[in-house]
Amino acid sequence: LAKTTQPISMDSYEGQEVNITCSHNNIATNDYITWYQQFPSQGPRFIIQGYKTKVTNEVASLFIPADRKSSTLSLPRVSLSDTAVYYCLVGENTGRRALTFGSGTRLQVQP
Amino acid sequence: EAQVTQNPRYLITVTGKKLTVTCSQNMNHEYMSWYRQDPGLGLRQIYYSMNVEVTDKGDVPEGYKVSRKEKRNFPLILESPSPNQTSLYFCASSLYQGVETQYFGPGTRLLVL
Repeated sequence: LAKTTQPISMDSYEGQEVNITCSHNNIATNDYITWYQQFPSQGPRFIIQGYKTKVTNEVASLFIPADRKSSTLSLPRVSLSDTAVYYCLVGENTGRRALTFGSGTRLQVQP
Repeated sequence: EAQVTQNPRYLITVTGKKLTVTCSQNMNHEYMSWYRQDPGLGLRQIYYSMNVEVTDKGDVPEGYKVSRKEKRNFPLILESPSPNQTSLYFCASSLYQGVETQYFGPGTRLLVL
């Protein structure tokens, strides 16, 4: 499984756009990139998944450059309720390998 | 409602007393797994199962057992709990395998004295 590196923490203010970058230099050809959000004492929640270029849903956008060695989760106009830990996960959608979540990025949104 | 349930949600026990944490999903998912979460270490996978009677070790399997006799249930067994197994445990399931969208349970907070 490709190792991922994310910033430990980030701070932002309400209404701003937040970009969290994840580095995954050893990503394999069959690997997808998935982001999860976790609030304190709750299980992680799926946000978005992509393979290449750009993916957008009602919650976020995911930007993946051509070399796929990094990815950026973009949260538009964050609110206080977006304060959470965000995890980047890289792996196949075939379950051949055990999955590992990194330490994640703790996002703190201020009023 | 589609969900993953865990029981108990909170548990205090003593070293060496066998315990089981149950996990059940009602989405007919093939893939289920157990994670533990500790401060500063993120989520670490303990065991996973790709289907009934098929289980495999994750990153931190020592001290744990699992079974998958039915598709919907995936209990986590601690035969002889130790204080270093004090942690927050999450069960998860997904329709297929791997990093496909995983649905997490509410968590079980375990304290081993």
